[in-house]
Amino acid sequence: DAKTTQPNSMESNEEEPVHLPCNHSTISGTDYIHWYRQLPSQGPEYVIHGLTSNVNNRMASLAIAEDRKSSTLILHRATLRDAAVYYCILRDLPGANNLFFGTGTRLTVIP
Amino acid sequence: EAGVAQSPRYKIIEKRQSVAFWCNPISGHATLYWYQQILGQGPKLLIQFQNNGVVDDSQLPKDRFSAERLKGVDSTLKIQPAKLEDSAVYLCASSLGPQGATYEQYFGPGTRLTVT
Repeated sequence: DAKTTQPNSMESNEEEPVHLPCNHSTISGTDYIHWYRQLPSQGPEYVIHGLTSNVNNRMASLAIAEDRKSSTLILHRATLRDAAVYYCILRDLPGANNLFFGTGTRLTVIP
Repeated sequence: EAGVAQSPRYKIIEKRQSVAFWCNPISGHATLYWYQQILGQGPKLLIQFQNNGVVDDSQLPKDRFSAERLKGVDSTLKIQPAKLEDSAVYLCASSLGPQGATYEQYFGPGTRLTVT
């Protein structure tokens, strides 16, 4: 599996935008970029995914660099509920079905 | 829509004892996964089922871990005998389809196992 690199931790003030970076310099042409997050004492939950184009959904936006070697998860207005560990994961279609989690980025939201 | 259910939520056992975890996936989800999450690390896949068949169990320590998915619905994960290093959260997840990188996985709340 291609590897991703994320900062160990980040902080954000409540109600401000948050940009969570992910580097994936060895990404292949068929790798989708997925983001999951894990709230304290819960299982991970899906956030968003994309292949080449930027994506938006009700939870977040995903900005993908033109060369696809990096991406950024954008939370438009951080809330206290967004405090979690965020995982950036590459998944090959139609290859491995499982998710390879690294250590992720722990986001702290400051009230 | 009901989510993935797991039980028990917490379990404390002594080393060399056995333990079993139960998972009920979201209705209609063909694929079921068991992950192990050690404190401070991301989840690691132990085994993946497609309906009631095993797709990937390459990371499952088969000398002590076993899993089954009867009738392609519920699943149980068993550890026998348990070791101290098995202390972790065991997560069950399910997804709608078979192969496909776009199918999102839905996770249960996990079972926190402590081996003393």
